[in-house]
Amino acid sequence: GAVVSQHPSRVICKSGTSVKIECRSLDFQATTMFWYRQFPKKSLMLMATSNEGSKATYEQGVEKDKFLINHASLTLSTLTVTSAHPEDSSFYICSASQDNYGYTFGSGTRLTVV
Amino acid sequence: ILNVEQSPQSLHVQEGDSTNFTCSFPSSNFYALHWYRWETAKSPEALFVMTLNGDEKKKGRISATLNTKEGYSYLYIKGSQPEDSATYLCAFADMRFGAGTRLTVKP
Repeated sequence: GAVVSQHPSRVICKSGTSVKIECRSLDFQATTMFWYRQFPKKSLMLMATSNEGSKATYEQGVEKDKFLINHASLTLSTLTVTSAHPEDSSFYICSASQDNYGYTFGSGTRLTVV
Repeated sequence: ILNVEQSPQSLHVQEGDSTNFTCSFPSSNFYALHWYRWETAKSPEALFVMTLNGDEKKKGRISATLNTKEGYSYLYIKGSQPEDSATYLCAFADMRFGAGTRLTVKP
C-alpha cells in the first residue's frame, strides 16, 4: 500500500529559528499533498494544498510567509516554519495522494518552540 | 451547508453497544467523501472513500452509508469495543475535515 514518511517526528527549537518538516511519498508519486495542523483538543485544520511544481494554495488565515511550503518533486513536499514562536508549537501532519482519490497520511511531527 | 459538519461532537457508549454518527456536507457538486479513524497525535487511518449515492461500505464491525442527494453519510459501529475509542473524521473532496466525533467506549 501507499506509504508516506514524515520527518522529523519530534522537534524542539528555539524561538526565532526556522524548522523544516519533510513529507515523502515512498512508493508512489504524489500529485497533491496537504499540510494540516492540530490545535489543542481540535480536529485537523487544513493549512495548505500543494501541487507538484506550482505554488501552494493556503487556507484563509494561514500566513504563507510564515509557513513556507515547497513541493519540488512528485515525492517530496516540505513545510518550513519560519521564525518560530511558542504559539507555533503544534502537531503538524501531511497527507499525499497519487490520484486525488485515496489519501495517505504521514505519521506527524510534534513541534515544540521554546 | 457550506462545510463538512459532524455530529455528535462526542459520544460515550458501553462496550457492546452499537452506535452511529453523522457527517453532513454540501450536496451540490459531490465528488467523494472520506471517513478516517484518528487518535490524537497519530496518523489518521483511512476507513472508507464514498463516491456513489446509496453506497454502503463495510470494514469489520464498521460500516458507512452515503446519501449524496440530501448531503449526509452515516458511520455505524456494531458491538463497540474499547479499542474503537478514537475520533472519527470525515472529509469532503477538498480534504477539509469536519470537527470529528470523539467516541469513548467504556469497558
